[in-house]
Amino acid sequence: GAGVSQSPSNKVTEKGKDVELRCDPISGHTALYWYRQSLGQGLEFLIYFQGNSAPDKSGLPSDRFSAERTGGSVSTLTIQRTQQEDSAVYLCASSLEFNEGDEQFFGPGTRLTVL
Amino acid sequence: GENVEQHPSTLSVQEGDSAVIKCTYSDSASNYFPWYKQELGKGPQLIIDIRSNVGEKKDQRIAVTLNKTAKHFSLHITETQPEDSAVYFCAASWGNDYKLSFGAGTTVTVRA
Repeated sequence: GAGVSQSPSNKVTEKGKDVELRCDPISGHTALYWYRQSLGQGLEFLIYFQGNSAPDKSGLPSDRFSAERTGGSVSTLTIQRTQQEDSAVYLCASSLEFNEGDEQFFGPGTRLTVL
Repeated sequence: GENVEQHPSTLSVQEGDSAVIKCTYSDSASNYFPWYKQELGKGPQLIIDIRSNVGEKKDQRIAVTLNKTAKHFSLHITETQPEDSAVYFCAASWGNDYKLSFGAGTTVTVRA
């Protein structure tokens, strides 16, 4: 498929465990974004990448959250010592370039449940 | 940052009627306003967008209007069909790096 893919689609974990969420952007897209969508809420911006660089990490909720992108392609979002309030759908999006108005194409998301 | 408010949170319309969703934003420097449609179990998909140099844009049954002075923009869906049922999000760009700030979403239900 040519779209953004994310894995796993669902993740159930116990409080205190670490989780890794993966995003495969559309081939050739230089910009990659992570968002969090809590139940009944809009999308909360977490972090974006231009290539492998993340110029703005201010959206990450706490220092338990980190993200990396290698090779200008795949990105992983890591949440350490998960808490129940981390339960949400984590969405990844990519765009061809990083310009205002470049369409962001979203993946289907990873639903994270922290017990 | 940018604060985007969206109303209503839910909207139920009879098939064939129109649906209107309204959003306001806080950052007068915002220049780009996309609308996304999210179907159950899927990621949001861009359906239409508007830039600050345009007051209205149409694409078949969908139209968006922008009032920069009042800092609000609206989505209009005419002749609604059951497949229009979904959650709709408005967004506004902000910051020097054009991040998007999203509204809380509107759940639209089209009754057959």
